[in-house]
Amino acid sequence: GAGVSQTPSNKVTEKGKYVELRCDPISGHTALYWYRQSLGQGPEFLIYFQGTGAADDSGLPNDRFFAVRPEGSVSTLKIQRTERGDSAVYLCASSLMGVGANVLTFGAGSRLTVL
Amino acid sequence: SQQGEEDPQALSIQEGENATMNCSYKTSINNLQWYRQNSGRGLVHLILIRSNEREKHSGRLRVTLDTSKKSSSLLITASRAADTASYFCATDGGNAGGTSYGKLTFGQGTILTVHP
Repeated sequence: GAGVSQTPSNKVTEKGKYVELRCDPISGHTALYWYRQSLGQGPEFLIYFQGTGAADDSGLPNDRFFAVRPEGSVSTLKIQRTERGDSAVYLCASSLMGVGANVLTFGAGSRLTVL
Repeated sequence: SQQGEEDPQALSIQEGENATMNCSYKTSINNLQWYRQNSGRGLVHLILIRSNEREKHSGRLRVTLDTSKKSSSLLITASRAADTASYFCATDGGNAGGTSYGKLTFGQGTILTVHP
C-alpha cells in the first residue's frame, strides 16, 4: 500500500484481556518495527523484524508481549493479560533496507486503553 | 529509556519567525534524525544527518550536529501555522558491531506552536 496501515486505530479493553494489534507495512519494505509511545513521551523501541525473523526484541517489556511476522509482510503485536500500564499508542514503522541509515515510515498508530 | 533531552519542551512563536529546537544525547551514534508528529499519532521523517556530517539543509529546515558535544539543533525558518506539531530527535546508535538497522532512541520532544 501507499503507507503503513495499522488496525485497530483505537482499542479499549479490560485488565487481564488479550489484545492483538495489526500492522501492514509498505509493500517491499523488508524491515518492520514496533514502538510504544506513552502520553507526553517519545516513542520507545519494542522489536525489529528483518523479513520473517525478529532480529532484535530487546525492547519488549516482558513475556506478556509477543510479535510475529510469519510471511515477511503483515505483523501482529500480541499482548496477553493486559495491565493498565500497557495503555499507550503502539506505533508500527517499516523501512526499505533495514541495514544502514534507515528512514522509518510510521503508521498512524493503535491507541490501546486498558481499563 | 530515553536517550536524549530536548530543549525547550515547548516553544510558542509567531508566523514568520524562526524556531530552534535542541537535542542532546548520551552515547555514540551512527546518525541522528528528526521527526514531526501531529496530534499524538504517526511520525513523519524530516531529515537525517550522519555522524560525519556537521550541517544539513532541506527546504526551510537546517540541522546541525556536534558529536563532540553530543548535541543537535533543528532550525525551521520562516515558520507557518502548519508547522505546529511536536518535533522529536532520534538517535541511531547501531548494534555492538556499529551496524545501523533503524533501532531509534527518541527524545521527549519539543511542542512547537506557531500563531498566525
